Amino acid sequence: GESVGLHLPTLSVQEGDNSIINCAYSNSASDYFIWYKQESGKGPQFIIDIRSNMDKRQGQRVTVLLNKTVKHLSLQIAATQPGDSAVYFCAEILTGGGNKLTFGTGTQLKVEL
Amino acid sequence: ETGVTQSPTHLIKTRGQQVTLRCSSQSGHNTVSWYQQALGQGPQFIFQYYREEENGRGNFPPRFSGLQFPNYSSELNVNALELDDSALYLCASSKDRVGSGELFFGEGSRLTVL
Repeated sequence: GESVGLHLPTLSVQEGDNSIINCAYSNSASDYFIWYKQESGKGPQFIIDIRSNMDKRQGQRVTVLLNKTVKHLSLQIAATQPGDSAVYFCAEILTGGGNKLTFGTGTQLKVEL
Repeated sequence: ETGVTQSPTHLIKTRGQQVTLRCSSQSGHNTVSWYQQALGQGPQFIFQYYREEENGRGNFPPRFSGLQFPNYSSELNVNALELDDSALYLCASSKDRVGSGELFFGEGSRLTVL
């Protein structure tokens, strides 16, 4: 079946560097994409979202880019901090799919001091 | 703090038993979704409740059932537990059932089936 997937299971970056986490999706009917951060022992935390009619959205230190041509989503974190260490998931909602999220497997971000 | 609370935080059951997990949604939220997260995996959608009725279901067997109460809190019930049911069960609440995606997750209930 169609699914959301991530390219890299683990990403290590130096503190202060920028991080880029990538995600591929295969369902062209996806209408809405969200990035979540999950720290150990906690539930996923909403970071930023983007609708399919946009190609870029910025938040505080984070930017999400959407390339519908190649069905690719990325999360950029500027000036990565130790507190950014977590597992990051992309998730999608299909058009008419209500609030049903389809999550990818996740990328572990490790910030090295 | 998300305001979504789940109980119990951890529990151990044996195969064949039944379990009930509970969730209190964030104030003002009328929609509750349940997700199962196996170790090292992304959460998988189980079902969603909106105004006390099931409003969408994922690929889970009927032994997974739920309820939503008038105060919008919710329960997840799993009968005839199997070893593969061992997972973190996440509850998420939102203002509406449609398309915002901004779900607020609880910390989860860690179920171990022996």
